[in-house]
This record gives sequence, structure tokens and C-alpha cells, in this order.
Amino acid sequence: EADIYQTPRYLVIGTGKKITLECSQTMGHDKMYWYQQDPGMELHLIHYSYGVNSTEKGDLSSESTVSRIRTEHFPLTLESARPSHTSQYLCASSETGSPTGELFFGEGSRLTVL
Amino acid sequence: SQKIEQNSEALNIQEGKTATLTCNYTNYSPAYLQWYRQDPGRGPVFLLLIRENEKEKRKERLKVTFDTTLKQSLFHITASQPADSATYLCAYASGGSYIPTFGRGTSLIVHP
Repeated sequence: EADIYQTPRYLVIGTGKKITLECSQTMGHDKMYWYQQDPGMELHLIHYSYGVNSTEKGDLSSESTVSRIRTEHFPLTLESARPSHTSQYLCASSETGSPTGELFFGEGSRLTVL
Repeated sequence: SQKIEQNSEALNIQEGKTATLTCNYTNYSPAYLQWYRQDPGRGPVFLLLIRENEKEKRKERLKVTFDTTLKQSLFHITASQPADSATYLCAYASGGSYIPTFGRGTSLIVHP
């Protein structure tokens, strides 16, 4: 079982609120990722990190921001949530040099913005 | 740009039969393809990887093939069980970042 945790699992908030989705992993992985997934659709990469103090934007434009101050922690922040941000957010990590390139995913955070 | 395509229609099969799922890519051969399983409301779980120079990989009841001529990977589950019901995602990774790009997945429903 993967040691990667996301909180909250479910969040319903009003428009304009600031939210932070937490992601932590205890595997010591250097690489971490945030994907966004709508029902029946692909996972879209929105942010990734190669290690501490490294953050990059993914293929899908997102108004969210991320930080990587500690290896195990990769939070995602939305400064002002809007209904268009309603989605499932999945955090993942992987080991540099892994022979399979396997991504370990958290359970996801389902965000609903009213 | 590279696209990865999986059948959006659900696959319904009877318990005990072999399920075959398809993943097609559009342009260049990726360095490798991965297959993941995703249950409703959960994160994906890695199952298998196959590299572009490999034709077939097996793991227990799972088998993956990679045909660079057809630009296709097939994922087989033999002796399928109702517990195999889930969405199966194909992902490719190429030189450079090797960050997986995912298809939208195919839902498999195994009927008892």
C-alpha cells in the first residue's frame, strides 16, 4: 500500500475562498505531481516537482500554485476558488531511477466550489 | 502532439473469460507504456510497465503487449473475476521528463 496521503478527501466551499490541498508521502521520493481528473476523463498534469525548491507547471494550465519546502510535503493552493475549479485532485510521487517509473497516488481530494 | 486513446465504452464480460483492453497512441513510439487500475473515488494503482523494445510482459493473470507497428498496446486479464471490475488506464512516457501522460481509461465490468 502506498504511503502517500491527501487531505481533505472531500471539500465543499464557496466562491472566492482560499483553499490548500495537502499531500504528504513517507517514501522519501524526490518527484511529486498533481493531476486533475474530471469524471470519465484523463488525468491532466497541473504541477510537478523534482525535489525541494523545484516546482514546474504541467500541461494543463491551472490557476493553482504549489510549493516544495520539504521532500515529503507538496501542498496545492487556490487563492480564490471558482466553480470551474470543481474537480478531483490527485497527488502522486515517484522514485528517481525507478525501473518501472511507477507513480504512487494518494486517494484524491474532491473539491466542489459553489 | 502525441495522443493516447482508449475505448471510452465500457467492456462487459462474463466471469472466467479473458478481458482485452486497447490503448492506441498516435505519433512516435513512447519509451514505455504503463497500465494502472483505478477504482471509483480512488487514486490509480500501478499494474505493469512495458518498454518499446519489449513485445510482451506478464504478471500473474495480467499480460501486456506492445506493437510499435500498429502503435498499440493490449492489456489482457485472463480468468477474469468480478473483483477485476474497475477502470484501467494506459499511460505513456517518453524521453526527457518521463512523466506519464494518461488516457481516459476503459471501464471493465465482470459479471458473475
